Amino acid sequence: QVQLQESGPGLVKSSETLSLTCTVSGGSISSHYWNWFRQPPGKGLEWIAYIDNSGTTKYNPSLKSRVTISSDTSKNHFSLKLTSVTAADTAVYYCARGDPRNNYFDPWGQGTLVTVSS
Amino acid sequence: DIQMTQSPSSLSASVGDRVTITCRASQSISRYLIWYQQKPGKAPKYLIYGASNLPSGVPSRFSGSGSGTDFTLTISSLQPEDFATYYCQQGYSTPFTFGPGTKVDIK
Repeated sequence: QVQLQESGPGLVKSSETLSLTCTVSGGSISSHYWNWFRQPPGKGLEWIAYIDNSGTTKYNPSLKSRVTISSDTSKNHFSLKLTSVTAADTAVYYCARGDPRNNYFDPWGQGTLVTVSS
Repeated sequence: DIQMTQSPSSLSASVGDRVTITCRASQSISRYLIWYQQKPGKAPKYLIYGASNLPSGVPSRFSGSGSGTDFTLTISSLQPEDFATYYCQQGYSTPFTFGPGTKVDIK
């Protein structure tokens, strides 16, 4: 079955760029659409962005000015870049596949904690 | 953005209890409502989509109902593995948004 795995630095300095990659196995990213989420410690879930199989992207307006999502079909992975990070960007970041008909998210990666340090 | 609210924010229940969690959207989302279960340190797992559809593998004690702005998740007989936080999510329009969560713990 399809599995997702996030990877990237667990510690990023304030004002720098957070970069994460989600590697998909057991299926191709050439179908469905692919998402990033985050969850600050002890808080709720926030959708960040998606990229679909045609390369169309959509961003949460709250983060749009700082976020870029991209994909590499040859490597079957997609990526997130978040610029000018602050402590408020400290969170567990998840990637997940989106269902284009009902817009539910499944499966999810296990998540990766990114801490922004000053 | 569509705002999602949930009630209660937390509840204490015993094994075997019937539990109901409600979710309200700030505008009509038809039936584009998804429920997730999240356990500490784990990613969310979807339980219900399209307001009332159970994915394969989800126990039948979970059920969902509602349309428009008001939705309900019901666990008919709470089991030990159901103690978790439950989130609703609207899939009607971007930005996709989640409710703040309902934590179900042991009484």
